[in-house]
Amino acid sequence: QKEVEQNSGPLSVPEGAIASLNCTYSDRGSQSFFWYRQYSGKSPELIMSIYSNGDKEDGRFTAQLNKASQYVSLLIRDSQPSDSATYLCAVKVTGGGNKLTFGTGTQLKVEL
Amino acid sequence: DGGITQSPKYLFRKEGQNVTLSCEQNLNHDAMYWYRQDPGQGLRLIYYSQIVNDFQKGDIAEGYSVSREKKESFPLTVTSAQKNPTAFYLCASSPTGGSGGETQYFGPGTRLLVL
Repeated sequence: QKEVEQNSGPLSVPEGAIASLNCTYSDRGSQSFFWYRQYSGKSPELIMSIYSNGDKEDGRFTAQLNKASQYVSLLIRDSQPSDSATYLCAVKVTGGGNKLTFGTGTQLKVEL
Repeated sequence: DGGITQSPKYLFRKEGQNVTLSCEQNLNHDAMYWYRQDPGQGLRLIYYSQIVNDFQKGDIAEGYSVSREKKESFPLTVTSAQKNPTAFYLCASSPTGGSGGETQYFGPGTRLLVL
């Protein structure tokens, strides 16, 4: 069973702090990784994708990938109350066409 | 505006009734997907289609059916065989080739409730 695991949270951080969200995956052959943000009652929206080991930065967001350790993380700098949402990690499965396997998500709360 | 539309936003199903959820995209994406999300849960794949007139079962296909007669459209029918249909249903699409070909984009979702 290929799995993607996330801590469900809630992860609470003060406004302006760095939020660190983590995801581990079991399929060692996975090549493509995605972070989605989902506000309560809304559909997921893509934040970032990452394919190579290392860091990828986009504004306040940084995705980090370590294939040897099979984890991918998302850092949010200068966290804002508007960042409060559930963050879903998704991994492209090997041999499954373009199918993604999603984690159950981590709820982030940014407190004033 | 390019995007994915789902209708209706809310849908109520009576016992023994089949209902159909609409999903349309104008992104010229080849692949389309249907997911189900239960409260506090991740997304579970119901069906997906990588090309017109072809589709495959996902992890939880029982009690559901789909068709893909047009590239732009991928309707999902929730049949009476699905005994616990109350959930948030999400449609997604993705291009299939090249860099980023597996990146999925989501519609706004349909919330299905059982009367």
